[in-house]
Amino acid sequence: EVQLVESGGGLVHPGGSLRLSCAASGFTLSSIYMHWVRQLPGKGLVWVSGINNYGSYTMYADSVKGRFTISRDSAKNTLHLQMNSLRAEDTAVYYCARDLVGYGSFDIWGQGTMVTVSS
Amino acid sequence: EIVLTQSPGTLSLSPGERATLSCRASQSVSSTYLAWYQQKPGQAPRLLIYGTSSRATGIPDRFSGSGSATDFTLTISRLEPEDFAVYYCQHHGNSRYTFGQGTKLEIK
Repeated sequence: EVQLVESGGGLVHPGGSLRLSCAASGFTLSSIYMHWVRQLPGKGLVWVSGINNYGSYTMYADSVKGRFTISRDSAKNTLHLQMNSLRAEDTAVYYCARDLVGYGSFDIWGQGTMVTVSS
Repeated sequence: EIVLTQSPGTLSLSPGERATLSCRASQSVSSTYLAWYQQKPGQAPRLLIYGTSSRATGIPDRFSGSGSATDFTLTISRLEPEDFAVYYCQHHGNSRYTFGQGTKLEIK
């Protein structure tokens, strides 16, 4: 079964750091683009970051550029999002999502992990 | 940067009725990169339609997508109780991925 399972969310102070993980099963992460999408409480979906299948090309929303880093661990078939200099406005549920090849859409989603940035 | 505007914000209909949801892009976009998602409370989004009109795996044929350039539509031909949810359109272009603000489909 194709599945994504996120972990690593929690409560962090403003200015702090957190590392999210997304474990994939049923397919190989290194064969496909992967993304992080977030959803602020009670709000809509916002794309955060993406990485190509080789891990050589990364993309970021302007709001997180320079603070967040996406990466993948091929050996563990896991996607990561390192989040630094966190702000209250980063509070959200973070989803990892698989790219549907050739269409720029997201065909498989994880269940999400909640990140709360608060003092 | 392309902005997607969905309308209406909320749509109140009864089971069995037809639902028509709109997504308008701020400039012309490729229909290859236009998708629709359904999200229910407490759940992750689910891909319904990709490439403007192709149904994702397991999606019932009462869901259909159409459109081109700046105007795209998601149609649910005959609403089932499980279809009441929030729907988002999404576009990909120039290494950016943009979502509309969503349409809430509620039971009348």
